Amino acid sequence: NAGVTQTPKFRILKIGQSMTLQCTQDMNHNYMYWYRQDPGMGLKLIYYSVGAGITDKGEVPNGYNVSRSTTEDFPLRLELAAPSQTSVYFCASRLSGGKGEQYFGPGTRLTVT
Amino acid sequence: DQKVKQVSPFLSFQEGRISILNCDYTNSMFDYFLWYKKYPAEGPTFLISISSIKDKNEDGRFTVFLNKSAKHLSLHIVPSQPGDSAVYFCAASFFSQGAQKLVFGQGTRLTINP
Repeated sequence: NAGVTQTPKFRILKIGQSMTLQCTQDMNHNYMYWYRQDPGMGLKLIYYSVGAGITDKGEVPNGYNVSRSTTEDFPLRLELAAPSQTSVYFCASRLSGGKGEQYFGPGTRLTVT
Repeated sequence: DQKVKQVSPFLSFQEGRISILNCDYTNSMFDYFLWYKKYPAEGPTFLISISSIKDKNEDGRFTVFLNKSAKHLSLHIVPSQPGDSAVYFCAASFFSQGAQKLVFGQGTRLTINP
């Protein structure tokens, strides 16, 4: 099992550009999540999905969009990049039940200049 | 409002001794509390969790204690090893709008000195 994989690892965007951060998991988890982590801060939830075709907003969704067409993939779209979106982005997944633990990908470091 | 706070951004302890990391929370609706460990340029990895109805959970060198009256939990690492140097995040689990979610503390950077 590769677990949760994210691409790219690093990216520099100019203000106003768009990009998609990719996230794939091979554990057949139904829940998937996107977080951002700013320096010195904890992780904040951007969007989440409870299964294919079902997504919802988290704590900080503005400027982002998601889709979930398959169980495995949960891409995060930035439409008009802004400097405030400079951050490290983590994707996570989990099965229903359990003890709350989520499994994280290695992250994408995004800089918007 | 659901908040989790780690008031010490940096801690250091001696190799072979006990390390103690602390976390406070404000909401009584959390069902599990978790600790994650994060190395640079990697994602957080799950370390240990505790149910809100328990007061202690142990896994090898790691023990988590939960004090519900004080809304406080702590992670004990005994004995501490240099490889334990990392950022540790406390997180709390809750169920909302049909989904389980986690709220994270700000993290504590732990350094284990030889």
